[in-house]
Amino acid sequence: DTGVSQDPRHKITKRGQNVTFRCDPISEHNRLYWYRQTLGQGPEFLTYFQNEAQLEKSRLLSDRFSAERPKGSFSTLEIQRTEQGDSAMYLCASSSDWLREKLFFGSGTQLSVL
Amino acid sequence: QQPVQSPQAVILREGEDAVINCSSSKALYSVHWYRQKHGEAPVFLMILLKGGEQKGHDKISASFNEKKQQSSLYLTASQLSYSGTYFCGTAGFGNEKLTFGTGTRLTIIP
Repeated sequence: DTGVSQDPRHKITKRGQNVTFRCDPISEHNRLYWYRQTLGQGPEFLTYFQNEAQLEKSRLLSDRFSAERPKGSFSTLEIQRTEQGDSAMYLCASSSDWLREKLFFGSGTQLSVL
Repeated sequence: QQPVQSPQAVILREGEDAVINCSSSKALYSVHWYRQKHGEAPVFLMILLKGGEQKGHDKISASFNEKKQQSSLYLTASQLSYSGTYFCGTAGFGNEKLTFGTGTRLTIIP
């Protein structure tokens, strides 16, 4: 089964450090989304890609966050100078069409900033 | 703007029915429903597109009233496996991302 995979599953870091997460979507999917989820809340949109183009970025996202999807394949999400408020589950999802098809979610990366 | 779900939480005995509602303040093109169990990723249940359609499979169905910008998820004869948090995700016209609701925590007890 070649579902959406995310790496690492867990990341513990100290405040001020940089972290990078990776997402490998389902290979034929051209849409890739990043969401953030905190305990008891719904997933919050961060950004999305159509192939390699980043088409939208949430206004809630500070300049410390950056995402890439080189060659329209895997994607990385980097957080610079992490803060305790960045602690959350970071979810990646992919789909083959913009919203007529379901999102396939990865298992997420749980980030803890100490 | 985040859609509002109700109720926030519900506890049912196995075999009972439940209805979860999702309301948006914006005109909607589509509504998605997902279920998430603790520590796991959200899992897709169904999509409803504008047109006021109703869908269902097995004992889970949903309706979409585009005039009222509301959707409801119906779970009949609930099973223990239905436990989890249910999220609706909505998309408006020209808005190519899902905005997820506040969630409804469903607990099924034997």
